[in-house]
Amino acid sequence: KAGVTQTPRYLIKTRGQQVTLSCSPISGHRSVSWYQQTPGQGLQFLFEYFSETQRNKGNFPGRFSGRQFSNSRSEMNVSTLELGDSALYLCASSGLADYEQYFGPGTRLTVT
Amino acid sequence: QKEVEQNSGPLSVPEGAIASLNCTYSDRVSQSFFWYRQYSGKSPELIMSIYSNGDKEDGRFTAQLNKASQYVSLLIRDSQPSDSATYLCAVIARGTDKLIFGTGTRLQVFP
Repeated sequence: KAGVTQTPRYLIKTRGQQVTLSCSPISGHRSVSWYQQTPGQGLQFLFEYFSETQRNKGNFPGRFSGRQFSNSRSEMNVSTLELGDSALYLCASSGLADYEQYFGPGTRLTVT
Repeated sequence: QKEVEQNSGPLSVPEGAIASLNCTYSDRVSQSFFWYRQYSGKSPELIMSIYSNGDKEDGRFTAQLNKASQYVSLLIRDSQPSDSATYLCAVIARGTDKLIFGTGTRLQVFP
C-alpha cells in the first residue's frame, strides 16, 4: 500500500506571497492532519480534516487554511507569508479503526 | 505546564544497552499514546502505540503506560547505532483527534 505523499517537497517563497501544499493520504484513510515543525517550537498541530470537514483546529492565525476533497486528498494554504512561516509542513493520515497517524515526507518551505 | 513533556537529551547509550525514554502528559483523560522516531531531515515514523496500562512489546521495543502516574515510556533493547534519532511522544486526548507531541528526546547510540 502506498504511503502518504506530499507535493512539492521543497518550496522557496518571498514574504507576502501565498503558497498551497498538497497531501494525498494512504488509500482508504479519510482523516488528514497537518502539522508545522520548526526547531524552536517542535511539531505543532494545524488542523485535521475528515470527510471534507475540518474537525479540529490548532492555534494558528487565519492565514493558515486548508480543505479536503471528496477523494480525501487535502490542501493547505498559507497567505501573506512571513519569515516565521519557514518550516517543515507535514501531513498525516489515519484510518477509522484507530488514531494511528502516518506521516508523509513533508514539504520544506523557506520564506525569504 | 506543557501538555506533553520529554527530556530533550541527548541520551547517550553504548551499543547493546537498553535505552529508556520517558514522557509525561498533563491531560488525565488521555487515552491514546504513541511513540514516533524521527531521523534527521526525515518525517516522523510511528513505531509504537499503546492504549491501556501495562507493557506492550514489539521486537526490541517495549512501550510502558502508567495512567495513574501520567507517564509513558519506551525501552529499546540491544540498542544499535541505527537507533540514533529523535524519539517523539504523542498523546491524543479523549474526544478529539488532535495529536499533541512532546519536543522529543534525541538518542545517540555509540559503538
